[in-house]
Amino acid sequence: QKEVEQDPGPLSVPEGAIVSLNCTYSNSAFQYFMWYRQYSRKGPELLMYTYSSGNKEDGRFTAQVDKSSKYISLFIRDSQPSDSATYLCAMSVSGAGSYQLTFGKGTKLSVIP
Amino acid sequence: ETGVTQTPRHLVMGMTNKKSLKCEQHLGHNAMYWYKQSAKKPLELMFVYNFKEQTENNSVPSRFSPECPNSSHLFLHLHTLQPEDSALYLCASSASGGGIQPQHFGDGTRLSIL
Repeated sequence: QKEVEQDPGPLSVPEGAIVSLNCTYSNSAFQYFMWYRQYSRKGPELLMYTYSSGNKEDGRFTAQVDKSSKYISLFIRDSQPSDSATYLCAMSVSGAGSYQLTFGKGTKLSVIP
Repeated sequence: ETGVTQTPRHLVMGMTNKKSLKCEQHLGHNAMYWYKQSAKKPLELMFVYNFKEQTENNSVPSRFSPECPNSSHLFLHLHTLQPEDSALYLCASSASGGGIQPQHFGDGTRLSIL
């Protein structure tokens, strides 16, 4: 079983839709959870990060972590064509190993005008 | 100039060539990283430097040789590469210290091995 599972998509939604992106993981030691956005021909850009369980909101983006289910989600409200990108989840343990990020494969999202 | 800058953006080389990738960060960070991104695979961490000292080598073949002369610059020296080494090579940097230190990425070097 891979450490982090992420559906690669592609996912295509109409403009204005609510988008739900998800990752599951197997390592119960993961404490930090991140979402990166990667546009074509660009490097990953950090969107949000959270520690342990709970929700975090930033504008149209909401990150959720359910450690009991080993499941994390990123919700995008009122999606825009500019949100079209690949979204990568990443996670790490706390302490000395926190720099070791384990990434999902990424989900490619297209928002259609 | 701000952020993490990688040069060149694209590189085509033969299997017997020697080349180097360069990364420079202007964020005042002390940790720098090399990642490999291949199609349909997750990002793979290759090397980590913390305050110019290599702290991680994730079983990377010796044909990849990193160098970190100071906290702002990171190089990846390449020699005798294989076709399966064709990928996007990403550099990242972060602050050092306790707790999560978010990593900031450059736009990568797209490497093609002929």
